[in-house]
Amino acid sequence: SAVISQKPSRDICQRGTSLTIQCQVDSQVTMMFWYRQQPGQSLTLIATANQGSEATYESGFVIDKFPISRPNLTFSTLTVSNMSPEDSSIYLCSVVGTSLLRAFQETQYFGPGTRLLVL
Amino acid sequence: AQSVSQHNHHVILSEAASLELGCNYSYGGTVNLFWYVQYPGQHLQLLLKYFSGDPLVKGIKGFEAEFIKSKFSFNLRKPSVQWSDTAEYFCAVNAGGTYKYIFGTGTRLKVLA
Repeated sequence: SAVISQKPSRDICQRGTSLTIQCQVDSQVTMMFWYRQQPGQSLTLIATANQGSEATYESGFVIDKFPISRPNLTFSTLTVSNMSPEDSSIYLCSVVGTSLLRAFQETQYFGPGTRLLVL
Repeated sequence: AQSVSQHNHHVILSEAASLELGCNYSYGGTVNLFWYVQYPGQHLQLLLKYFSGDPLVKGIKGFEAEFIKSKFSFNLRKPSVQWSDTAEYFCAVNAGGTYKYIFGTGTRLKVLA
């Protein structure tokens, strides 16, 4: 399995500001994803971070609010823009290691998460 | 729409008690099924997974799960829990030939020493 790190591990931010979360993997992976886990709720997929192209967003999530970069096969960032208290959540990065065609049967591995509190 | 239901939100057991956590999903096609565990202060870890074959899957730390296709279920079991099993457990489904996971809402397990 891949070793995944996220920075920062936690942060407290003011309303209206933006925070960029970094996800670093110790090996090249095919697919990287960003999830949100709101208090008392399940994990929800925000988007797939595509290397060299725009991220693919799930319903309810837009690029202006959650811009994502993936400059290479081991690194991605998620920015939470113009934050409000409703954005308080844990943001998780996950990865799948092998080819896109086999992604259906591959296991996702998760980073430690970034705990965000917006005041 | 696909969904995953975990009916037990909070479970409290004494050590050595048996555990069964329910997981039901709604999807009629081929699925991959997972249980993840999140220990206090730690990140999500894979406990076990089912892709195909034997519907009884054994995972780490003595956990097992049984896939019952007719019931759309993938319940997690452990015959004798330990205090160190205190954690939150998430069931997830990967369906439709995609990489997307649908997670249940999680079950918080507390094991009393």
